[in-house]
Amino acid sequence: EAQVTQNPRYLITVTGKKLTVTCSQNMNHEYMSWYRQDPGLGLRQIYYSMNVEVTDKGDVPEGYKVSRKEKRNFPLILESPSPNQTSLYFCASSWDRGGNTEAFFGQGTRLTVV
Amino acid sequence: SQELEQSPQSLIVQEGKNLTINCTSSKTLYGLYWYKQKYGEGLIFLMMLQKGGEEKSHEKITAKLDEKKQQSSLHITASQPSHAGIYLCGADRGDYKLSFGAGTTVTVRA
Repeated sequence: EAQVTQNPRYLITVTGKKLTVTCSQNMNHEYMSWYRQDPGLGLRQIYYSMNVEVTDKGDVPEGYKVSRKEKRNFPLILESPSPNQTSLYFCASSWDRGGNTEAFFGQGTRLTVV
Repeated sequence: SQELEQSPQSLIVQEGKNLTINCTSSKTLYGLYWYKQKYGEGLIFLMMLQKGGEEKSHEKITAKLDEKKQQSSLHITASQPSHAGIYLCGADRGDYKLSFGAGTTVTVRA
């Protein structure tokens, strides 16, 4: 089954404790991206990757890091989480950037930073 | 401010009635797509529109992209409880970055 898998689904952590949210896709997609979703703000792009070892900032990259060492994986790293990073996070993948092809989304990771 | 403005923010419709959601951009859209989201869950792809004047339908949902490619509408005919959720429009800005609207929450009352 074609899918994007995020882990964990729920995470509560403390300020400053490094964490990683994993994202894996099994469709051999080149384009992957991370979003955060906040009430009233919709989805905002954090980082995206056009292929292995090629990543770039989205609209809200501050406080986040990503890596793309393998085509299927695109982890999101919070080196020093802060309460304003409490949000619902989504990973997505597609053959190309979203305007040309359908993007597949993971089920989301609800992060709470206390 | 949002690059994509959705209206209304929320709506309540009686089961069996029609509804329309609008998505407006201040810039020309290279690609416009509609997603549906159940609260707190992932997004499900509905439709993608690329050409001005394009219209697509799937079951009881129809989406259109206007000729100038700056506005899209999503229309649901004879709404059912399964249509409840959050509808988001998304757009390719042409620079490998994607934008989404804030979403429209649809409630269907029996």
